[in-house]
Amino acid sequence: GAVVSQHPSWVICKSGTSVKIECRSLDFQATTMFWYRQFPKQSLMLMATSNEGSKATYEQGVEKDKFLINHASLTLSTLTVTSAHPEDSSFYICSVISGRENNEQFFGPGTRLTVL
Amino acid sequence: GQNIDQPTEMTATEGAIVQINCTYQTSGFNGLFWYQQHAGEAPTFLSYNVLDGLEEKGRFSSFLSRSKGYSYLLLKELQMKDSASYLCAVMDSNYQLIWGAGTKLIIKP
Repeated sequence: GAVVSQHPSWVICKSGTSVKIECRSLDFQATTMFWYRQFPKQSLMLMATSNEGSKATYEQGVEKDKFLINHASLTLSTLTVTSAHPEDSSFYICSVISGRENNEQFFGPGTRLTVL
Repeated sequence: GQNIDQPTEMTATEGAIVQINCTYQTSGFNGLFWYQQHAGEAPTFLSYNVLDGLEEKGRFSSFLSRSKGYSYLLLKELQMKDSASYLCAVMDSNYQLIWGAGTKLIIKP
């Protein structure tokens, strides 16, 4: 299967600061990446679909100006949480669709964000 | 290295019972998750096991044996809507999720 990495794996920041999370597809080119958020023992909530070379598609209720997504290359998508607040503390997970393997979805290890 | 193994595909009959196994080798253990994912949709949380034993939740049950690095998801009274992929994921000592490749469950009438 595809290998997906995220960086950083965990981050602690002060309220009001911005945090950038990277998602990389290590062994194939991904035109589409997904960003999810997960609160403890809850389902993954899709935040947005990141498309290489174009604007991301955000799910209803997700603030575009707060969660900036940049999919600048076929192997990298970034999620920037701007002006983070404690309620943004969560587990952020990215995934990629592998067109090479019957459109299977592969998930990254996640980034744990704690906002103080 | 870290590894999660689960069958690629399983087929079962409507009304029957199916057990999906998951074995893991990870650096540390902070719980095991089972998710259900229908095509084109986000994964839905089914269960979380951190202690040995069986957790029952309606038609779905999840079992964990930490000493054996083994879990299973048991689905009873199968319905056609249970046709989906079932993902096993383990949280390691760094609180990172290690994902299995998923088991595609096909339910036949």
